[in-house]
This record gives sequence, C-alpha cells and structure tokens, in this order.
Amino acid sequence: EAGVTQFPSHSVIEKGQTVTLRCDPISGHDNLYWYRRVMGKEIKFLLHFVKESKQDESGMPNNRFLAERTGGTYSTLKVQPAELEDSGVYFCASSKSDEGGVPGNTIYFGEGSWLTVV
Amino acid sequence: GESVGLHLPTLSVQEGDNSIINCAYSNSASDYFIWYKQESGKGPQFIIDIRSNMDKRQGQRVTVLLNKTVKHLSLQIAATQPGDSAVYFCAENSDSSYKLIFGSGTRLLVRP
Repeated sequence: EAGVTQFPSHSVIEKGQTVTLRCDPISGHDNLYWYRRVMGKEIKFLLHFVKESKQDESGMPNNRFLAERTGGTYSTLKVQPAELEDSGVYFCASSKSDEGGVPGNTIYFGEGSWLTVV
Repeated sequence: GESVGLHLPTLSVQEGDNSIINCAYSNSASDYFIWYKQESGKGPQFIIDIRSNMDKRQGQRVTVLLNKTVKHLSLQIAATQPGDSAVYFCAENSDSSYKLIFGSGTRLLVRP
C-alpha cells in the first residue's frame, strides 16, 4: 500500500511567484492534514480536511495560502504570492475517519515538500 | 497561545547508552501525547503515544513517561543505536480536536 505522497519534494522559487504543492493521501483516508515547519521552528498545523470539506483551517497563516481538496481525494496547497518567510517544509498527513479521536499511530505523514523562497 | 516545548535542542550520546529526551507542555486540556521521529529528508514517524490516564508506557526499546503534575513528557531510548539519530518531536492533542501541537524538536546524535 502506498503511503502519503507529496509533490514536489523540493522547490525553489522567487519571492512573489506562485507555488502549488500536491498531496496524495493513503487510499481510503478521509482525513487529510497540512502542517509546516518553517525557520527550524516547531511543526505547526495548517488545516484539516474531512473528504472535500475544510474541517479546521485555523492554522492557515494568511490569505496567501489556499488549500483545496476537490473530490475528496488529493489536495493542493497554493502559496500566492510567496514570501521569504514561507520557506520551510510542508507536510501532508492522512488518517482514516473511523478512528476515535486522533490516535497518533493512525496518522501517516508524507516526506514533505521543501520550499525555498529566494 | 499554548504550545509544547523542548528543553534541549541537541543531545549527543554514546552508542549503547540510554537517551532521555524531554518535553514540557502547557495545555492542561491535552489528554493525548505522541513522540515522533524525523530522519533527514523524511516526514515524522510515529514512535509511541500515551494517554493522560497513564504515567508510563513502554515499547520495544522506548519508554514514554508523563508527569501531569509538572506538565512534563519524556522519551527514553534504551541502548541507543546509530539508526536512532534523528530529530524527535513531542506532540499533544485532545479528543476535542484533530489538531496536533508539536514541540520544537530535539536532535539526537549518536556517537560511535
């Protein structure tokens, strides 16, 4: 079974440009999460989808970030326009919907998309 | 806002010794705690978890201790191996939210 996959693995863009990150969750996982780690700081929650609906987007930093999950399968995270402080690694994770609460061993993380804004 | 933090940014241990990684949390409403391991170029990997109704839980070579009185969490790794070298994150959660709150991470270096 394939794990959570993310694309691109690395991206270098100029300030002001647009970048779109893609996440393919594990097949059958209704829950999809975006997290990010910037400037060597802690990993921070961005948002949570249940199927195609945004369940919680309280971690989205500002309106330059747009996440979508049309059809409830893969998700994209667009940064437009990118700023220097957006540099970091963006993690996607997924979990099944029939697990009570959030048992950690049911949340699977991808390897991340490493974004550098210059 | 409330967050999970770490005491030591880097820990260096001799191969074969035991490692202890510490974490402080401030959200008293959190009732579930997880330790993740992140190797270079990879995403966080689940190691072990513990619920707030427990104070200790053991895995194969790892033990998590929870002290709710002082809001402290620790990860003990027995007989540390070179493959244990990574960044370790603690995270907290409550049943009312799917959101994980991560600490800033501790880098574990294992000397041969």
